[in-house]
Amino acid sequence: DIQMTQSPSFLSASVGDRVTINCKASQNINKYLNWYQQKLGEAPKRLIYNTNSLQTGIPSRFSGSGSGTDYTLTISSLQPEDVATYFCQQYNSWPWTFGGGTKLELK
Amino acid sequence: EVKLLESGGGLVQPGGSMRLSCAASGFTFTDFYMNWIRQPAGKAPEWLGFIRNKANGYTTEYNPSVKGRFTISRDNTQNMLYLQMNTLRAEDTATYYCARGSGAYYWGQGVMVTVSS
Repeated sequence: DIQMTQSPSFLSASVGDRVTINCKASQNINKYLNWYQQKLGEAPKRLIYNTNSLQTGIPSRFSGSGSGTDYTLTISSLQPEDVATYFCQQYNSWPWTFGGGTKLELK
Repeated sequence: EVKLLESGGGLVQPGGSMRLSCAASGFTFTDFYMNWIRQPAGKAPEWLGFIRNKANGYTTEYNPSVKGRFTISRDNTQNMLYLQMNTLRAEDTATYYCARGSGAYYWGQGVMVTVSS
């Protein structure tokens, strides 16, 4: 299985901050990467697919980038409603696998 | 509106069996791959497997972690997705989600399964 390692595991930031979450795959995943946001008590919600394609309805402050084994989710200006846990997920090689998550809170 | 509603969860003893259901509505069920994904409390999700759409013969794929114990099926006349779970273990305790499509954009609200004596 491809291992997905996210960093940091926990992140505290202020409203308006630029936030970056990293995801590293154990092998090349050819940009087959999704990012999910999960708020407390809810199912995960896909924000970005194919590394950098923004899901319809997702604010443009969210963006994704990367290639090979290294990927990044960026929130350009953190808003209070962005408090959540974020997961990356690869779909290059079955079984699809998730990163361990990054819990984002407000400072 | 796409809706996915899981049911059938609860408490089961180790070694027992349980079948989860997912009622789908708001889309042409046979057009889509359907998935089961689980998430232990406080941990990352785990993709259990999926069943392909009509165009791809409704074939299945399973995560090796559950292959041989779990079976995914669908009733295309009732727009229902199923997960049959056998020989359950404590580590199968989780919230189980069904999700639509190869990219799993739409998810249900989840159903809890607790494996404990």
